[in-house]
Amino acid sequence: QSALTQPASVSGSPGQPITISCTGTSSDVGAYNFVSWYQHHPGKAPKLIIYDVTNRPAGVSNRFFGSKSGNTASLTIFGLQAEDEADYYCSSHTVSNTRIFGGGTKVTVL
Amino acid sequence: QVQLQQWGAGLLKPSETLSLTCGVDGGPFSNYYWTWIRQSPGKGLDWIGDIWHSGSTRYNWSVRSRVTMSVDTSRNRFSLIVNSVTAADTAVYYCVLTIIGVDDYWGRGTLVTVSS
Repeated sequence: QSALTQPASVSGSPGQPITISCTGTSSDVGAYNFVSWYQHHPGKAPKLIIYDVTNRPAGVSNRFFGSKSGNTASLTIFGLQAEDEADYYCSSHTVSNTRIFGGGTKVTVL
Repeated sequence: QVQLQQWGAGLLKPSETLSLTCGVDGGPFSNYYWTWIRQSPGKGLDWIGDIWHSGSTRYNWSVRSRVTMSVDTSRNRFSLIVNSVTAADTAVYYCVLTIIGVDDYWGRGTLVTVSS
């Protein structure tokens, strides 16, 4: 099964919003509301920032906003900060009862 | 606070068996599952599979013929076995505990290198 499609990189200035897309198919992203997003700083373990499309775990900043339309999920980071510079991955459950990740997006704060 | 520790051999030869174990401090937990995820050098995250509190397992189709996951709930540990490794299995392996509807807890990762 092919990975979910994410842009390789997204950049923005401090304070601006950015959006990362995650495009799948009707067999994964479009099938369920089970899309998660992870923030990964190199050398550290990834961190869950969004689960079930829109939910944030306790302690995750409300600057992170998840949404979905059809086969595409999106992560918006409002008020971009230097500490947000990291790799971001989406993940979805599939109709094959498996799980699939996106290829990852490198976020750069200009 | 939930903390995960991982351990296992970090250097293997082709055709050998990868064996990793993940232990968790904290709990007891309800409504949870364990996951193994890996990241090959320079690549993205790759889901290997998971095992639920009920004992049921799900594996990535690309590795399911070589992978076994198991859990010892009495010791709060779960394990990953990958048979017949190749260089393509070289990666940082992460164990993850997901409390459904709450959060994920990740191990620090174990670098496994397969080289002759």
